[in-house]
Amino acid sequence: QKEVEQDPGPLSVPEGAIVSLNCTYSNSAFQYFMWYRQYSRKGPELLMYTYSSGNKEDGRFTAQVDKSSKYISLFIRDSQPSDSATYLCAMAGGYQKVTFGTGTKLQVIP
Amino acid sequence: GAVVSQHPSRVICKSGTSVKIECRSLDFQATTMFWYRQFPKQSLMLMATSNEGSKATYEQGVEKDKFLINHASLTLSTLTVTSAHPEDSSFYICSAPAGAGETQYFGPGTRLLVL
Repeated sequence: QKEVEQDPGPLSVPEGAIVSLNCTYSNSAFQYFMWYRQYSRKGPELLMYTYSSGNKEDGRFTAQVDKSSKYISLFIRDSQPSDSATYLCAMAGGYQKVTFGTGTKLQVIP
Repeated sequence: GAVVSQHPSRVICKSGTSVKIECRSLDFQATTMFWYRQFPKQSLMLMATSNEGSKATYEQGVEKDKFLINHASLTLSTLTVTSAHPEDSSFYICSAPAGAGETQYFGPGTRLLVL
């Protein structure tokens, strides 16, 4: 079993839709949770970072962590074509080494 | 956020040659940097942890003699792919932790093509 599971997609949604991206994990030592966005042929860009259960909001993005269920989500409201990218969840246990999900490819159709 | 740069962004070389990739933290110091490789449509695979002033730590299955890492200063780590072969063609990305260390900031990546 992988430490971090993420549906690779692809996920296609119409412009303006709410997007839900999810990851599950098995390692209870993970304390820090991140979401990265990666455009084609570019390095990943940090979107959201949280270390506690609950919700964290930043503009159109909301990160949700449920440590009891070992489940994290990223919600994108009013999705735009420019949001089309691969979204990677990532987790760390506090020792700098980060474990990544496989990424979900999102396409927002105008 | 913190800025990490990589150079070159793209390199094409002949089989058997060596290629050096630089990773720099531009506005912060990094005693640790990470090197990843990413094949098409796959996630990031950690290759090694670069430690300033000491030897790098390699992940299982990564040949340390083939992928030489030097972390000579607090803002620069280099990855040298020695005697490159076509199967080494990939997207190489470095990252550096910032702040408390739990988050990683990534460079833009280097696309290596070995002919």
